[in-house]
Amino acid sequence: GNSVTQMEGPVTLSEEAFLTINCTYTATGYPSLFWYVQYPGEGLQLLLKATKADDKGSNKGFEATYRKETTSFHLEKGSVQVSDSAVYFCALSLTNNNDMRFGAGTRLTVKP
Amino acid sequence: EAQVTQNPRYLITVTGKKLTVTCSQNMNHEYMSWYRQDPGLGLRQIYYSMNVEVTDKGDVPEGYKVSRKEKRNFPLILESPSPNQTSLYFCASTSTGFYNEQFFGPGTRLTVL
Repeated sequence: GNSVTQMEGPVTLSEEAFLTINCTYTATGYPSLFWYVQYPGEGLQLLLKATKADDKGSNKGFEATYRKETTSFHLEKGSVQVSDSAVYFCALSLTNNNDMRFGAGTRLTVKP
Repeated sequence: EAQVTQNPRYLITVTGKKLTVTCSQNMNHEYMSWYRQDPGLGLRQIYYSMNVEVTDKGDVPEGYKVSRKEKRNFPLILESPSPNQTSLYFCASTSTGFYNEQFFGPGTRLTVL
């Protein structure tokens, strides 16, 4: 079946550190890939997306590249801020339906 | 403003007392879903609806019901809540088209005593 596996947290970094959160997927067909972010007390918000191999999604300094050969979509940011503290979810959706699968989420805490 | 609203945001209830969590979207989306979020398990889909009067089970439907009488509303019903349904619930509405982007409500934190 279709599924997403992301690195377990929590992740704690100092401000301006480099961030990587790993995400790999299993899918039949050709999925679209997403990163969602959940700030404390809020619902999930779309952070970035990519729809085909080698696409790079980017937003707010975050980036992720759709790697078909390694079935991965790792989230990176060169210099994190305290305001980036949140839970990050990797997700996939097949383009022929609306079924979305989420990873377990990775909690990021950035300390000043 | 495009949004998904849920009510109530917080609810504490007792075992067996029927409750309904409302969900409404103003984006004219056909596809809507309910998820529960539990620590270490991420989001798991409870029910989804492809359109008015069309609903189907997700991964964890036991103990829940839904209805879709109008396109904008998709209430979640717990006929006889139990403590294992204590969780954070999210309603989502999905845009049609290539990206299938989901828009989430703010969440409902439910505690069943």
